[in-house]
Amino acid sequence: GESVGLHLPTLSVQEGDNSIINCAYSNSASDYFIWYKQESGKGPQFIIDIRSNMDKRQGQRVTVLLNKTVKHLSLQIAATQPGDSAVYFCAENSGGSNYKLTFGKGTLLTVNP
Amino acid sequence: ETGVTQSPTHLIKTRGQQVTLRCSSQSGHNTVSWYQQALGQGPQFIFQYYREEENGRGNFPPRFSGLQFPNYSSELNVNALELDDSALYLCASSVGLATQETQYFGPGTRLLVL
Repeated sequence: GESVGLHLPTLSVQEGDNSIINCAYSNSASDYFIWYKQESGKGPQFIIDIRSNMDKRQGQRVTVLLNKTVKHLSLQIAATQPGDSAVYFCAENSGGSNYKLTFGKGTLLTVNP
Repeated sequence: ETGVTQSPTHLIKTRGQQVTLRCSSQSGHNTVSWYQQALGQGPQFIFQYYREEENGRGNFPPRFSGLQFPNYSSELNVNALELDDSALYLCASSVGLATQETQYFGPGTRLLVL
């Protein structure tokens, strides 16, 4: 069935370092991918998205890479700050008739000062 | 802040009771999706409403039901509560039904079933 999974459940980095969070997806028909950040006690916050006709998209301090050949997604955060500490989820829109998002389990990013 | 609001923020119920959770979508959004997030897990899709009609459903039993109103706000109802229904319930709003429309989440309602 459809699934979105993350390679690393936890990631600890030093402030100022770059962070890379990885995600594998299994539904080759998915055409839209989103990264969300979820802080404790809050709902998921949109970070960046990418469509399947692209392989890279950049935002403010964040870059998402999409490799459709191996069905892999990554989120790169430049100059990681303590405020970036959160759980990060990748989600895919599997299309079809109900446009649901399928989420992975999440990666906990901890930024050490 | 996304403009998506949910009420109540926290709720405690006992097994067998019924609960209604509410969501107001972001201005201009006509689609609302509901998700259940168990502790330590990613959100799981419950169902989606578009223009007051259910537009798809995840793997949840019929005791999970919903409504969408003309102003696009929405309710999630859960009957005969079970202990495993304890979770964070999230609603997300978006524009239309295109597969490439971003869903923006509210802060969630934390439900505890005792």
